[in-house]
Amino acid sequence: ILNVEQSPQSLHVQEGDSTNFTCSFPSSNFYALHWYRWETAKSPEALFVMTLNGDEKKKGRISATLNTKEGYSYLYIKGSQPEDSATYLCAFRPTSNTGKLIFGQGTTLQVKP
Amino acid sequence: EADIYQTPRYLVIGTGKKITLECSQTMGHDKMYWYQQDPGMELHLIHYSYGVNSTEKGDLSSESTVSRIRTEHFPLTLESARPSHTSQYLCASSDQVSLGTDTQYFGPGTRLTVL
Repeated sequence: ILNVEQSPQSLHVQEGDSTNFTCSFPSSNFYALHWYRWETAKSPEALFVMTLNGDEKKKGRISATLNTKEGYSYLYIKGSQPEDSATYLCAFRPTSNTGKLIFGQGTTLQVKP
Repeated sequence: EADIYQTPRYLVIGTGKKITLECSQTMGHDKMYWYQQDPGMELHLIHYSYGVNSTEKGDLSSESTVSRIRTEHFPLTLESARPSHTSQYLCASSDQVSLGTDTQYFGPGTRLTVL
């Protein structure tokens, strides 16, 4: 059974704080790691897909890093804003299947104005 | 921008009823997926399809069935709904840009409650 773990499960920060959370995945049979943002009452939205060890991706104030050797990825949000409030999902794609993603439980971020 | 639609968004129904959750995408994607999510839990893949007339069961066992007669349409059916089917169901699609890195685009989900 392949497990993807995200921590923390939830996070409350003040507007302007920077924050980060972790996604842990199996280090063997790695193919790709996806991050999604899921706002309440909306569809999950793709943020990043990363494939190479050491990859860093950035989209505005949000960035992500990837360590495939130790099996973790960090998502950073710089200067959190209330509109960043959402659940952030990571999903691991192993080499053993074709396109199927294994999701973590998500980290729910609440940014207080 | 993703164009993937699910209806209904919310459904409350009695035990024993047959229900069909609709999913349509206008992007011409070959791959489509159904996920189930219970509160506080992960998204679990219950069905997927790599093209017309192709359907496979996912990692989580489900009593639901799916069909893929047209590229754009991937409905999910429960022949006899039970309270244990109460959950959120999300549909997704993807295009194979490169094997394994294709992004999945999600619909807004159907929140099903079976009384």
